[in-house]
Amino acid sequence: DQQVKQNSPSLSVQEGRISILNCDYTNSMFDYFLWYKKYPAEGPTFLISISSIKDKNEDGRFTVFLNKSAKHLSLHIVPSQPGDSAVYFCAASFSSNTGKLIFGQGTTLQVKP
Amino acid sequence: ETGVTQTPRHLVMGMTNKKSLKCEQHLGHNAMYWYKQSAKKPLELMFVYSLEERVENNSVPSRFSPECPNSSHLFLHLHTLQPEDSALYLCASSQDAAMNTEAFFGQGTRLTVV
Repeated sequence: DQQVKQNSPSLSVQEGRISILNCDYTNSMFDYFLWYKKYPAEGPTFLISISSIKDKNEDGRFTVFLNKSAKHLSLHIVPSQPGDSAVYFCAASFSSNTGKLIFGQGTTLQVKP
Repeated sequence: ETGVTQTPRHLVMGMTNKKSLKCEQHLGHNAMYWYKQSAKKPLELMFVYSLEERVENNSVPSRFSPECPNSSHLFLHLHTLQPEDSALYLCASSQDAAMNTEAFFGQGTRLTVV
C-alpha cells in the first residue's frame, strides 16, 4: 500500500510557464515533506522541504504548498526552464528518529524551449 | 560533486556470486542509508545507520548484508541474489537520523543479476 503517491507520471510545460507537480499522501502522521530532483544517471538531489506546521515554503523559483486537510502537497516552479527537466520525487517522513523517507513514484517533467 | 560517492556505478553479477557495494561520504554526516529503486517503483528504504549502529532494517532479506565500519563508509554485501534484485541501489547520508533532516544521495549502483 503506497503511502505517498504522485499520480502524474509525466508533465510537459513550455519554458517560462509554471510547472505544478502534485503529491498525495495517506498517513496523517507524516510531519515533514521533501522534494527531490533526479537527472538521468545521477542520484536524487534535495530541492525543497516543508514542515507540517507550515502551509508554504518558498526558495527562489520553487515553492511548495502543503494542504494537510487534503493530505496534498504541490511543487510550483516558475518560471520553468529547460534545465528543470528531470524526474521529481515527493517524499514524506514521520516525527521519529529513523530518518526514514517514504517516496512517491516520481513525475518526469519536460520543459520545452 | 555530491559529497556521497558510490562504487561501482554498474555491476553485473551471477546468482552465485558475492559482491559488495561501497558508499563513502565526505560531509561529516552521522547517518547513512541504503535505498533501492526497482523498475517503475518508488525508492524504498533498506537500512539506516546512525553513528555506525544499524537503527532500521526495513524487512530486507538476509542475502543483503550491510556494514558500517565508520561514519564515513557504508557497504552492502550481496550474496546469492535473485534476478528480481536487479535495481538501482542508492546510498544516502544526512546530518543525523532525526526528523527534519534532508538526505544527500550518491549516484547509485545499477545492479543486474543474471
